Amino acid sequence: DQQVKQNSPSLSVQEGRISILNCDYTNSMFDYFLWYKKYPAEGPTFLISISSIKDKNEDGRFTVFLNKSAKHLSLHIVPSQPGDSAVYFCAANRISAGGTSYGKLTFGQGTILTVHP
Amino acid sequence: ETGVTQSPTHLIKTRGQQVTLRCSSQSGHNTVSWYQQALGQGPQFIFQYYREEENGRGNFPPRFSGLQFPNYSSELNVNALELDDSALYLCASSAYIGGTGELFFGEGSRLTVL
Repeated sequence: DQQVKQNSPSLSVQEGRISILNCDYTNSMFDYFLWYKKYPAEGPTFLISISSIKDKNEDGRFTVFLNKSAKHLSLHIVPSQPGDSAVYFCAANRISAGGTSYGKLTFGQGTILTVHP
Repeated sequence: ETGVTQSPTHLIKTRGQQVTLRCSSQSGHNTVSWYQQALGQGPQFIFQYYREEENGRGNFPPRFSGLQFPNYSSELNVNALELDDSALYLCASSAYIGGTGELFFGEGSRLTVL
């Protein structure tokens, strides 16, 4: 049962244009969402996150949008750069009422982003 | 500040054997999690350790076990290896068990079971 899905295995974008990576989830208990980026032969690195009480979070060129009713989130990268070429993973988490993480991230399958010069 | 380091980076085992993978947490981090990433898939949560005790486990059989040491380093042990255990094993640390799930990952140990 895939609770977090990234339905696009790959995305190709021209440098300078917008990259939009999508993610859907099914478990309504998830209340915190994260994006990780992974280069070959490296571990995933944290990129940006969003709490379920927000619908948008921005950090420089990266913006994450959350649509709770649709159980959908997206990562926008503007403008895209060749160095952004990597695998992007969406991940979901549950935060307890006390504000502590249950400690288990549920990841999507990943989307390979290629930004062409 | 030292990041998360894992060893070995690559290893090959045969079916039925046992394997131990090691992880040193990022300095100051007391919580460590292990994930299995099969080819073409996202990482899957195996278990998490906090203060040397298992604190949460994913859908993995008991032949997957772990340890956390007083210096917060950790081991993942897999007994009776099966072909499907071939994967990248990722260790991740975080500063405290509370928090929002922002993890710091090592580069992983790639296990091939023949």
